[in-house]
Amino acid sequence: NAGVMQNPRHLVRRRGQEARLRCSPMKGHSHVYWYRQLPEEGLKFMVYLQKENIIDESGMPKERFSAEFPKEGPSILRIQQVVRGDSAAYFCASSSKGGQGGNQPQHFGDGTRLSIL
Amino acid sequence: DQQVKQNSPSLSVQEGRISILNCDYTNSMFDYFLWYKKYPAEGPTFLISISSIKDKNEDGRFTVFLNKSAKHLSLHIVPSQPGDSAVYFCAAPGGSGTYKYIFGTGTRLKVLA
Repeated sequence: NAGVMQNPRHLVRRRGQEARLRCSPMKGHSHVYWYRQLPEEGLKFMVYLQKENIIDESGMPKERFSAEFPKEGPSILRIQQVVRGDSAAYFCASSSKGGQGGNQPQHFGDGTRLSIL
Repeated sequence: DQQVKQNSPSLSVQEGRISILNCDYTNSMFDYFLWYKKYPAEGPTFLISISSIKDKNEDGRFTVFLNKSAKHLSLHIVPSQPGDSAVYFCAAPGGSGTYKYIFGTGTRLKVLA
């Protein structure tokens, strides 16, 4: 998993607080994806971003969740007013091509484990 | 609605023998499939992929077979090694683009020394 860097690795928040998860893609990758994994489940797509653009956020809850990938700096997944059900592992992936740009595997970071007290 | 299914949550295999992990899918429009391996507290690591124009792809000890008529793919690991013990996910790009991976629920492989 070298290359895609996520921090923090573990994040503990109390209900009602905000959680910010960061992701730096692999060098040379401009496509970033966020997935969420609940216990005993597979990864579920949340959002796909390119620099300064949200391409597809169809997997994101409509409220409290937002994502960005600014021109400079990492991609940020932000969860406002966290609730217990937000406890999960959040994985970021990146690829060199996205969308219809060919079958380029997505490479994943080691995730952020979010725990809500 | 699970479009990618891994019906065996776990599998135990003796070291040196073959491990066969299975995956079924429902959407005949899927045209590319991937296998990822995941160790605890780490992210998924890309293992091998296959395009629907092929029925087999091999990379060292790992071979993926695709049966389009049965909508079934399998990952063969031979010979199995203790370091192969991990959770294996199959995935397929779905939706309107090729970026929205749909993952199965995973199979936990344990290779016994």
